Amino acid sequence: EVQLVESGGGLVQPGGSLRLSCAASGFTFSSYSMNWVRQAPGKGLEWVSYIVPSSSTIYYADSVKGRFTISRDNAKNSLYLQMNSLRAEDTAVYYCAREAWAAAYFDYWGQGTLVTVSS
Amino acid sequence: DIQMTQSPSTLSASVGDGVTITCRASQSISSWLAWYQQKPGKAPKLLIYKASSLESGVPSRFSGSGSGTEFTLTISSLQPDDFATYYCQQCNSYPWTFGQGTKVEIK
Repeated sequence: EVQLVESGGGLVQPGGSLRLSCAASGFTFSSYSMNWVRQAPGKGLEWVSYIVPSSSTIYYADSVKGRFTISRDNAKNSLYLQMNSLRAEDTAVYYCAREAWAAAYFDYWGQGTLVTVSS
Repeated sequence: DIQMTQSPSTLSASVGDGVTITCRASQSISSWLAWYQQKPGKAPKLLIYKASSLESGVPSRFSGSGSGTEFTLTISSLQPDDFATYYCQQCNSYPWTFGQGTKVEIK
């Protein structure tokens, strides 16, 4: 059974940093591209970042470019999101999502971890 | 960026009703469209991919159609478990973008 479990969320002050993790199991993690998608309270879904299996290709949404860094450790079956210079508008539930093989839709999602940026 | 626009934003219907949600893309995305269902406090769930392919395990009352810039998600006979918010997502080019969502609520 495919499982994605996020952790690392919490309350952080504006300008602060946080590192999210996503532990993957039940599939060959090193073969799949992975993404982070977020959802602000009461709002819709916003794609954040993408990484290919080898980490050779990475994309970011303009809203987080230069502040967030996606990475992965295939030996540990883990995906990460380092978030720096956090703003109030980054407050959201952050989901890790597996990208379906050779396609760009998300076939498995984690349960999400809440990040709250507030003083 | 490709903009995705869903209509309506909210839809009120009764159990047994057939409903249709529309998603329009700001430019052609061929058939690179997915539909998701999300319930409060839960992660989105993939329903339809490549515009009309039903994800494994999803009931056959869900169907998708369209290509180019206009797409639809149809639920043939609403069940109590179907009251949720539905999102479309274009998978044609980065950045991936979602529609704003359509909430299907009980009439």
